[in-house]
Amino acid sequence: QVQLQESGPGLVKPSETLSLTCTVSGGPISSDYWSWIRQPPGKGLEWIGYIRYSGTTNYNSSLKSRVTISLDTSKNQFSLKLTSVTAADTAVYYCARNSGCYTWTQWGQGTLVTVSS
Amino acid sequence: QSALTQPPSASGSPGQSVTISCTGTSSDVGGYNCVSWYQHHPGKAPKLMIYEVTKRPSGVPDRFSGSKSGNTASLTVSGLQAEDEADYYCTSYGGGNNPVFGGGTKLTVL
Repeated sequence: QVQLQESGPGLVKPSETLSLTCTVSGGPISSDYWSWIRQPPGKGLEWIGYIRYSGTTNYNSSLKSRVTISLDTSKNQFSLKLTSVTAADTAVYYCARNSGCYTWTQWGQGTLVTVSS
Repeated sequence: QSALTQPPSASGSPGQSVTISCTGTSSDVGGYNCVSWYQHHPGKAPKLMIYEVTKRPSGVPDRFSGSKSGNTASLTVSGLQAEDEADYYCTSYGGGNNPVFGGGTKLTVL
């Protein structure tokens, strides 16, 4: 059974870059698609983007200019970078495994990232 | 405001059935058979319960079922059990490469 675990700083200053890593265990990352999804406090879920095992990416159009998702197959990890963060980027960030039709079959437990000085 | 509309809360007694709706438009729910439902116990990883409108992943009890009529998808939980108490989210492909989510429904087992 594939399991995912997010890691990274829980506090980021405004205007800086948010960086998170998702470690995948129980199966190779060199297959399928891998996504980042977030949930601001008291709000709904928002898809951030995905990366395919080939390295192809697709991002939410509203975040595209600030987001980079990358893959490290040697470590079975994929990562998220979100630049120029503001308080509006405060959220629980989840990594997840995609299958077709924008279905997420496995998720990490999520990590809270707060943007504050 | 979420793109898909879900009731904020739903409830039922053990053994009863409850249905949660997810209303979108012809550009998302009504236009594609790409609706999925997730169960989320706070602090835990969300769990896929239904995908492609009606399909159930291995390991999900057959008490959970999905359907769609027009622009509204529904999740029905039959034979409610205490462990079904959780938040439930729907999502759909929305065209233009962006999926859309519902705002979530808190299911309470009375």
